[in-house]
Amino acid sequence: QVQLVESGGGVVQPGRSLRLTCAASGLAFSSYGMHWVRQAPGKGLEWVAVIWSDGSNKYFADSVKGRFTISRDNSKNQVYLQMNSLRVEDTALYYCVSAAGSFDNWGQGTLVTVSS
Amino acid sequence: ETVMTQSPTTLSVSPGERVTLSCRASQSVSSSLAWYQQRVGQAPRLLIYDASTRATGAPARFSGSGSGTEFTLTISSLQSEDFAVYYCQQYNNWPPWTFGQGTKVEIK
Repeated sequence: QVQLVESGGGVVQPGRSLRLTCAASGLAFSSYGMHWVRQAPGKGLEWVAVIWSDGSNKYFADSVKGRFTISRDNSKNQVYLQMNSLRVEDTALYYCVSAAGSFDNWGQGTLVTVSS
Repeated sequence: ETVMTQSPTTLSVSPGERVTLSCRASQSVSSSLAWYQQRVGQAPRLLIYDASTRATGAPARFSGSGSGTEFTLTISSLQSEDFAVYYCQQYNNWPPWTFGQGTKVEIK
């Protein structure tokens, strides 16, 4: 079955950086767009970023544009979220999601806490 | 940006009851609408896509309908494992991909 496993979360001070990794298995990874979706504690779902299956297109939420970048390595079945200039409001559980239109498969998430 | 609005925010229901959740889009999303279920402490799970198609593994008691700007998720007979938060999401007008704020289905 499809497995998406996120890693790289942790506690970081405001202004610092963090890199999240999502390792995928059980799917034709290079055929899927990959998204990051986050959920602040007790809140709803917020789309963060997407990278096309071949890496040709990338889009970001306005709240992270200019601070976050997304990349993928189809040879390793991995997608990455580089988060720079982190803010307190970036504190959330970050989910990796595979999508063919709808968001078909979700990882269990990795928690990012931005605090001084 | 397409704003998704769900109603009600919370629904108190007894097991066995029929439940209807609503989702409205600020502009047409055609049939590019999905519903997700999120149980406490778990990741969201795709239930319905393309407004009315059940995802693999989604029980038959879940059904979706609608197109354009008005959508409905119906649970024909609520089971104990259905108490959760439900989110709608549009994937027609992007970026961004947008979610509703969620409807919590709780035990009455």
